[in-house]
Amino acid sequence: EAGVTQSPTHLIKTRGQQATLRCSPISGHTSVYWYQQALGLGLQFLLWYDEGEERNRGNFPPRFSGRQFPNYSSELNVNALELEDSALYLCASSLNYGYTFGSGTRLTVV
Amino acid sequence: GQQLNQSPQSMFIQEGEDVSMNCTSSSIFNTWLWYKQDPGEGPVLLIALYKAGELTSNGRLTAQFGITRKDSFLNISASIPSDVGIYFCAGQLPSNTGKLIFGQGTTLQVKP
Repeated sequence: EAGVTQSPTHLIKTRGQQATLRCSPISGHTSVYWYQQALGLGLQFLLWYDEGEERNRGNFPPRFSGRQFPNYSSELNVNALELEDSALYLCASSLNYGYTFGSGTRLTVV
Repeated sequence: GQQLNQSPQSMFIQEGEDVSMNCTSSSIFNTWLWYKQDPGEGPVLLIALYKAGELTSNGRLTAQFGITRKDSFLNISASIPSDVGIYFCAGQLPSNTGKLIFGQGTTLQVKP
């Protein structure tokens, strides 16, 4: 069974640009979660999608947004990138309990 | 907001030694999870705890869900070099927010 897959693995963007990160959950998992892991910090909850709807968002500005597609894959968009957005962005999926994480997308803003 | 206090922050031990780390909070959690993260990878679930007082083992790993539902510990017995990594506790609140609250992590280094 394939795990949670994220793309791209690495992404370098210039300040002010937009970044799009993608996530495919484990087959059959309907919930997708996005977390930010900045250097030296723990994992911070960004967004939760379930059955195509945004169910909850963390304490992040509106330039962090996303969506979930009918096949349950998800996209995270970060607009007007700032230097402090540089981080590892992790996607996780779950069916009921126990979140399975992908390997993440390393976003670097220069 | 909700916080998890994880300790110790780092550990440097000899191969074969036992390791213990814990997480405490002022909030009550429904679920406690323990993850391990290797460099450049996402966290991998080690043990999940769903009931207060529950004690669960996974090979050399043992974790417990505190009876007050505000704490949890993870023990690793007879450590080996591949145990190196960052260990995170995570708790899920009773309200169904979909959000996990993570501890700051314990960095484990094992000397062969």
